[in-house]
Amino acid sequence: DTGVSQDPRHKITKRGQNVTFRCDPISEHNRLYWYRQTLGQGPEFLTYFQNEAQLEKSRLLSDRFSAERPKGSFSTLEIQRTEQGDSAMYLCASSLPHPSTDTQYFGPGTRLTVL
Amino acid sequence: GIQVEQSPPDLILQEGANSTLRCNFSDSVNNLQWFHQNPWGQLINLFYIPSGTKQNGRLSATTVATERYSLLYISSSQTTDSGVYFCAVGGGWGKLQFGAGTQVVVTP
Repeated sequence: DTGVSQDPRHKITKRGQNVTFRCDPISEHNRLYWYRQTLGQGPEFLTYFQNEAQLEKSRLLSDRFSAERPKGSFSTLEIQRTEQGDSAMYLCASSLPHPSTDTQYFGPGTRLTVL
Repeated sequence: GIQVEQSPPDLILQEGANSTLRCNFSDSVNNLQWFHQNPWGQLINLFYIPSGTKQNGRLSATTVATERYSLLYISSSQTTDSGVYFCAVGGGWGKLQFGAGTQVVVTP
């Protein structure tokens, strides 16, 4: 169990550029989640996948955001035409639902700064 | 969606002191987790506790699902306990709704 990994850990970009983040979940976990956290707030749900199917998307996920999990393993989150308001920590989590538990395990996050 | 309220928002403790953090939620839940977020932003799992009581070392947690609250107890606090503690709840198999957190500072 190597934990959830995210890449890159930090990203600085200029307004209007596209960025893509990657998340590798814990290997046997079939659920993968994306959250966003701004300074001083708790994380907010963006979207989640069960295997390769995207099951739920938050209203926070505007048309400029797209997430994929093509083979049910790693996932990517792309933000097109970045805005300064997109600056945040983007967190990925994974879980393996079981009748007695659905613990979500979080990665270290990708901190995005849009200049 | 489910509303989650955490109290107190800030807590300053002297090393060795005990404390209780509270999480109130507005609806029935199937998932409740407590996390500690360290200064680097990593969310560390403390407890998965939609009901009942659990203990892990100096930390323990109790959730009274029928009354829609959970408590996290920190005993004999250490400086390494500093950080933000989050309660997060879920109404089904899926997303978590986080509270605003409790910022804990433990002074030597």
